[in-house]
Amino acid sequence: GAGVSQTPSNKVTEKGKYVELRCDPISGHTALYWYRQSLGQGPEFLIYFQGTGAADDSGLPNDRFFAVRPEGSVSTLKIQRTERGDSAVYLCASSLSGGAREDTQYFGPGTRLTVL
Amino acid sequence: DQQVKQNSPSLSVQEGRISILNCDYTNSMFDYFLWYKKYPAEGPTFLISISSIKDKNEDGRFTVFLNKSAKHLSLHIVPSQPGDSAVYFCAAKGAWGMLTFGGGTRLMVKP
Repeated sequence: GAGVSQTPSNKVTEKGKYVELRCDPISGHTALYWYRQSLGQGPEFLIYFQGTGAADDSGLPNDRFFAVRPEGSVSTLKIQRTERGDSAVYLCASSLSGGAREDTQYFGPGTRLTVL
Repeated sequence: DQQVKQNSPSLSVQEGRISILNCDYTNSMFDYFLWYKKYPAEGPTFLISISSIKDKNEDGRFTVFLNKSAKHLSLHIVPSQPGDSAVYFCAAKGAWGMLTFGGGTRLMVKP
């Protein structure tokens, strides 16, 4: 079946602009995670959705970042007033239920965001 | 404060030999660990995991060892193949399934 997909694969924007990054999880997966990977580092947790609700948004760096998942499937990560430090690969992952330790997270290919 | 660390940014191994990738963690509350493999322009893919109630888990050519007292885990790949060349991330699973990743180790397997 289809895996996690993310669009766009690449996004170049100018400082101060607004961007939206989209994630399509695996069908039937209720848990969805966003991570950010800066150059030379491992992915860092941003936010976790269980169904439609954000169960944990403690990883969002500041209030310029916001994410939604209105129907419990597709999720959109929104970044306002982008800054050069926001440049990174944004990864989305989904899993069947989220809570069980053995529940595997499947990652999308990521969106590479470049802020000029 | 990095809770999961991979101190070797890169590792080069000859085809057929053993690859050993290391990972250290500081949070004693972590009780489930995973290794992910990442190729360029792709997302990380799950490789193998281990619960803290075990000290070893094996899956084909891949074995993960956990030393809880040392807060250390390692991934062994035997025999290494050129297709194993990738970046390997160690991760610990926390609340809600959230993953805390190390910085990664780039493995290069030379033919």
